[in-house]
Amino acid sequence: AQKITQTQPGMFVQEKEAVTLDCTYDTSDPSYGLFWYKQPSSGEMIFLIYQGSYDQQNATEGRYSLNFQKARKSANLVISASQLGDSAMYFCAMREVSGNGGATNKLIFGTGTLLAVQP
Amino acid sequence: GAVVSQHPSRVICKSGTSVKIECRSLDFQATTMFWYRQFPKKSLMLMATSNEGSKATYEQGVEKDKFLINHASLTLSTLTVTSAHPEDSSFYICSARGDGAKNIQYFGAGTRLSVL
Repeated sequence: AQKITQTQPGMFVQEKEAVTLDCTYDTSDPSYGLFWYKQPSSGEMIFLIYQGSYDQQNATEGRYSLNFQKARKSANLVISASQLGDSAMYFCAMREVSGNGGATNKLIFGTGTLLAVQP
Repeated sequence: GAVVSQHPSRVICKSGTSVKIECRSLDFQATTMFWYRQFPKKSLMLMATSNEGSKATYEQGVEKDKFLINHASLTLSTLTVTSAHPEDSSFYICSARGDGAKNIQYFGAGTRLSVL
């Protein structure tokens, strides 16, 4: 069965420093998609970045980059130059694969990491 | 682009009443929308997949008669919590699947339901 694991319940980072949020996944399917979402205290889920399993390069979106290590089945999110507004819950997610091997539209979420940026 | 609007953001109702939550994709068409429930300090739990023009697909353990889903157009899905009880109090959030190859889900701002 597919699974997403985020082992860091919470993290602190100093403003302007970089931080890495860990995410490991488990799947037997060669084709999958990985996502990171940010959830501020207001509740909305904000899409940050996507990595496809066949993508040759690590995904980047502004200050966000995804450290994709396929052999280790890890997809860590790196936030550079942290800002106070980055304080939020961060969820890693994977697109589910159905029993017959086809991709479904469902997302499997990790338990999240609460990031606190300190001034 | 890819904006999803969810309304209301917060609702307080009496036990036994029904509550309707709307989820709209504002700048794209969404044949598939999703409804999630999130308990405090927990991850998102998928309740059902809403498909335009057909019946919703509910996850195991979710009562379809309790949580009615209607996806009547390519931009609107509604979730109705029928005969709400205090245990239904939660944060409900919807998402709409974009039409790109990445199948990114874009989320609404969520609805906080409190049943008294």
